[in-house]
Amino acid sequence: GAGVSQSPSNKVTEKGKDVELRCDPISGHTALYWYRQSLGQGLEFLIYFQGNSAPDKSGLPSDRFSAERTGGSVSTLTIQRTQQEDSAVYLCASSVTGQGPYEQYFGPGTRLTVT
Amino acid sequence: GNSVTQMEGPVTLSEEAFLTINCTYTATGYPSLFWYVQYPGEGLQLLLKATKADDKGSNKGFEATYRKETTSFHLEKGSVQVSDSAVYFCALISGGSNYKLTFGKGTLLTVNP
Repeated sequence: GAGVSQSPSNKVTEKGKDVELRCDPISGHTALYWYRQSLGQGLEFLIYFQGNSAPDKSGLPSDRFSAERTGGSVSTLTIQRTQQEDSAVYLCASSVTGQGPYEQYFGPGTRLTVT
Repeated sequence: GNSVTQMEGPVTLSEEAFLTINCTYTATGYPSLFWYVQYPGEGLQLLLKATKADDKGSNKGFEATYRKETTSFHLEKGSVQVSDSAVYFCALISGGSNYKLTFGKGTLLTVNP
């Protein structure tokens, strides 16, 4: 079956521009997560959605970062006024539900480079 | 808070060698423990997991035992193959945030023929 997909796979943007990253979770998965993978910080949690609600946004590094999820499916992570320190691989994952240690299935990631 | 410490890499082994990647953790409550693997050019995949003390997770010849007394979850394989070359991440879920994975820094394993 189809796994988690993310687009674009690579994004190069100029400092100060806004970017949108998209995640399509596995069909039927109610929980969706965004993580960031960078050389300096490793893998960091950003935000968790249960359905369309985000009960935990604690990992978003600044108010330039926001995310939404619509129809209990697709999610978009938006970074406004990008900075060079935003360069990283952004990973999306989904699971059947967020209530418990269920397996999280990861997408291939979006590599963001801010020049 | 929760944290995971795993051995620094890179680790380079010859085919058929024995592998150990150490992982220790600090967590509130009783965590569930995971090993994820990232093969070159691919996304993170769950390799194995254990949800309570003394459980052993196993998959593809890899094993890890949840040791509460030493707060450890070391990954082992008796005979590695070239195809095992990848980055391995130890991770946990614990406490009130029973959905948030906390990862170690990752260990790069290279297996030479």
